Amino acid sequence: DQQVKQNSPSLSVQEGRISILNCDYTNSMFDYFLWYKKYPAEGPTFLISISSIKDKNEDGRFTVFLNKSAKHLSLHIVPSQPGDSAVYFCAASASGRDDKIIFGKGTRLHILP
Amino acid sequence: NAGVMQNPRHLVRRRGQEARLRCSPMKGHSHVYWYRQLPEEGLKFMVYLQKENIIDESGMPKERFSAEFPKEGPSILRIQQVVRGDSAAYFCASSPEAPFYEQYFGPGTRLTVT
Repeated sequence: DQQVKQNSPSLSVQEGRISILNCDYTNSMFDYFLWYKKYPAEGPTFLISISSIKDKNEDGRFTVFLNKSAKHLSLHIVPSQPGDSAVYFCAASASGRDDKIIFGKGTRLHILP
Repeated sequence: NAGVMQNPRHLVRRRGQEARLRCSPMKGHSHVYWYRQLPEEGLKFMVYLQKENIIDESGMPKERFSAEFPKEGPSILRIQQVVRGDSAAYFCASSPEAPFYEQYFGPGTRLTVT
């Protein structure tokens, strides 16, 4: 049973446009969500996070939106740049409990010139 | 401040041999996590350790796999009698305080079993 789902294995976006990566979760105990970015042959790099007490968190070109009722979050990148081409992992945890971070399978983002 | 270090970066083992993967967390981090990534899959949690203690090993296969994080030295993930299905990228992450906040990942060890 996959608790964190990224249903789009890949996404192509024109440079300069907005990239929207989606993530759904099933466990209502999750209250902390993270996005990681991964280049080939490197480890994942923490990008941005959001607590369930918020519905939006912004950091430069990156914004994460959380819809708790729909158990859905999304990562917006605007404007998209060539260096954004990578695999993006959505992750979730039940902070404050003795639980682990659960990762989705990732979405490969291609930024087209 | 050096990041999380893992070695070796690439490891080739024949079936039946042992694999030892090492992870040095970031300075000041006392929490270490190991993950495995199979081709076309996400990161699967394996084990969470603090110094000298295994906190959560619910993701570890019941046999052949073990992990430690001694008082001195790196964390070690040990796989005995490797099989082809163990071929994967193994990532280590560390965090500075209470778990399940941002974790910082190492570059990974790619294990190939021939």
